[in-house]
Amino acid sequence: AQSVTQLDSQVPVFEEAPVELRCNYSSSVSVYLFWYVQYPNQGLQLLLKYLSGSTLVKGINGFEAEFNKSQTSFHLRKPSVHISDTAEYFCAVRGYSSASKIIFGSGTRLSIRP
Amino acid sequence: NAGVTQTPKFQVLKTGQSMTLQCAQDMNHNSMYWYRQDPGMGLRLIYYSASEGTTDKGEVPNGYNVSRLNKREFSLRLESAAPSQTSVYFCASSATGTSTNEKLFFGSGTQLSVL
Repeated sequence: AQSVTQLDSQVPVFEEAPVELRCNYSSSVSVYLFWYVQYPNQGLQLLLKYLSGSTLVKGINGFEAEFNKSQTSFHLRKPSVHISDTAEYFCAVRGYSSASKIIFGSGTRLSIRP
Repeated sequence: NAGVTQTPKFQVLKTGQSMTLQCAQDMNHNSMYWYRQDPGMGLRLIYYSASEGTTDKGEVPNGYNVSRLNKREFSLRLESAAPSQTSVYFCASSATGTSTNEKLFFGSGTQLSVL
């Protein structure tokens, strides 16, 4: 079984500052990793995913994440945030098997201060 | 494209009442999911169906049942609603098995209140 831990429930940052949202996972098998974003009063949408290959993954809206197998982490980063990035961000994991489920973390609420 | 259609959008129940949340997808996806979203707890998996005719328990299955009626439809039933089931429920689907298409498509959610 897989599990995901998002260490920070809330992250406040100033506009144009860099941000890192932390995600650690636990699994006995190889995994796929995802970040989803939920803007206020909207549904979830995929930000980026790691399936295999390069450990640095680029997503939409200038976000990127790095897969670190030794540290079982998949932290999300953006070098300069905007007010429009205010949202809740969810890390998720799935094992390689087609029968494996997608499990989400508890989420990190990113709030941008002007 | 309709994507994932989830009904109803809002529902208020009294404790002990039953109801079924309906979900249908038109993308020919194999995998379908039911999650609940509660403040500070993220999305927790209730039930999962990897393919037509199969279902599997998720993280919080107690008090719920599901039916994968066919490839398109995956319903969630609350047999005897409890206040602890007050939540926002999301249905989702994905084309699991084709890794390049790994992506969950979500319904618009059902806001359920149990009084």
